[in-house]
Amino acid sequence: GENVEQHPSTLSVQEGDSAVIKCTYSDSASNYFPWYKQELGKRPQLIIDIRSNVGEKKDQRIAVTLNKTAKHFSLHITETQPEDSAVYFCAASSSSNTGKLIFGQGTTLQVKP
Amino acid sequence: NAGVTQTPKFQVLKTGQSMTLQCAQDMNHEYMSWYRQDPGMGLRLIHYSVGAGITDQGEVPNGYNVSRSTTEDFPLRLLSAAPSQTSVYFCASSYSYRGNNEQFFGPGTRLTVL
Repeated sequence: GENVEQHPSTLSVQEGDSAVIKCTYSDSASNYFPWYKQELGKRPQLIIDIRSNVGEKKDQRIAVTLNKTAKHFSLHITETQPEDSAVYFCAASSSSNTGKLIFGQGTTLQVKP
Repeated sequence: NAGVTQTPKFQVLKTGQSMTLQCAQDMNHEYMSWYRQDPGMGLRLIHYSVGAGITDQGEVPNGYNVSRSTTEDFPLRLLSAAPSQTSVYFCASSYSYRGNNEQFFGPGTRLTVL
């Protein structure tokens, strides 16, 4: 079955710097890759997603890149702010069944003021 | 819309007890899923459903049962609770439409098994 590996497990940056989180997946049939943000004590919330027919997607300070050949995708946050501090999860699924999301282990991002 | 709701918010069980975690959504989503979240292990899929009457196993299904008799409800049953099932449980739902697959999560149930 699908396996998603996420690195690093923790990341600390200064406010204003960029942060990059990387994920790899194993199932070549996967073609939907969302990223979720989870603040302490709260539920995960979608921040951006990408499909396999697109190599990059941006939404303001957040971007995601996908390399299907290498089976990896990355989250890029520019101009980080203290409110970006949270746990970030990548995930993968086949778009024919997005109810079956397989998540990475999570990255705890700390943005220091 | 209430979105995805879960009850209870907190629960303490003794080893061997059974219970049902409730999940409901009012967005007419076809897909519903149950995850457990443990420190350092992310969200692991327990069971999922692609529609009423259809369920399937996820990554960690042992010790849990599900059923989906209606589009709105997707209860998770613990048959005989074990300390290893101490975790935070999240229910999620989404459309099956390819262009809109965002999974919406419930607030979670924190379960402790003594």
